[in-house]
Amino acid sequence: ETGVTQSPTHLIKTRGQQVTLRCSSQSGHNTVSWYQQALGQGPQFIFQYYREEENGRGNFPPRFSGLQFPNYSSELNVNALELDDSALYLCASSLPQNYGYTFGSGTRLTVV
Amino acid sequence: EDQVTQSPEALRLQEGESSSLNCSYTVSGLRGLFWYRQDPGKGPEFLFTLYSAGEEKEKERLKATLTKKESFLHITAPKPEDSATYLCAVQSVRDDKIIFGKGTRLHILP
Repeated sequence: ETGVTQSPTHLIKTRGQQVTLRCSSQSGHNTVSWYQQALGQGPQFIFQYYREEENGRGNFPPRFSGLQFPNYSSELNVNALELDDSALYLCASSLPQNYGYTFGSGTRLTVV
Repeated sequence: EDQVTQSPEALRLQEGESSSLNCSYTVSGLRGLFWYRQDPGKGPEFLFTLYSAGEEKEKERLKATLTKKESFLHITAPKPEDSATYLCAVQSVRDDKIIFGKGTRLHILP
């Protein structure tokens, strides 16, 4: 049974650029959630996808968008990057109505 | 609005010195309360799920308990390898999303 895999592990972007982060869910998990974790803070919920549809969103602007593919892998896209977007981005997968998530190791994004 | 508050923010203990971490929560119908461990630069690692008041779970030196308003993570005779950030999170019956607290940074001195 494979876990949750995220790529890339580290990324440096310039303010105003766009970025795409990728996530492969744990085998059999059809729900994926994305979190942003700033340094010294707990993870903040961005959005969740189930069967390729967004079914929940946190307090993040529309420039944060996502996709889920038929194989349940997922992407997080962020447009017009701002310095405050620098954070660890975590992907987590689960079964619907299941209890708890399995997290990937995250992508460390630095915006300069 | 669902909320999770963890205390203390940071805790330094000597090896073998037992203590407890607190997680206070407000949620409109609790589906589950979770404890995760997070090492620097890594994703959270699942420890426990608690579903109802009075429930307890144990794993090695860790024991988690739950009441209607808070949860405790008790650490008995900790070792330096227990040093990490411990995150508490809740999931409501309204939706599947999990809301996290800010965590407690635990440092065990040898």
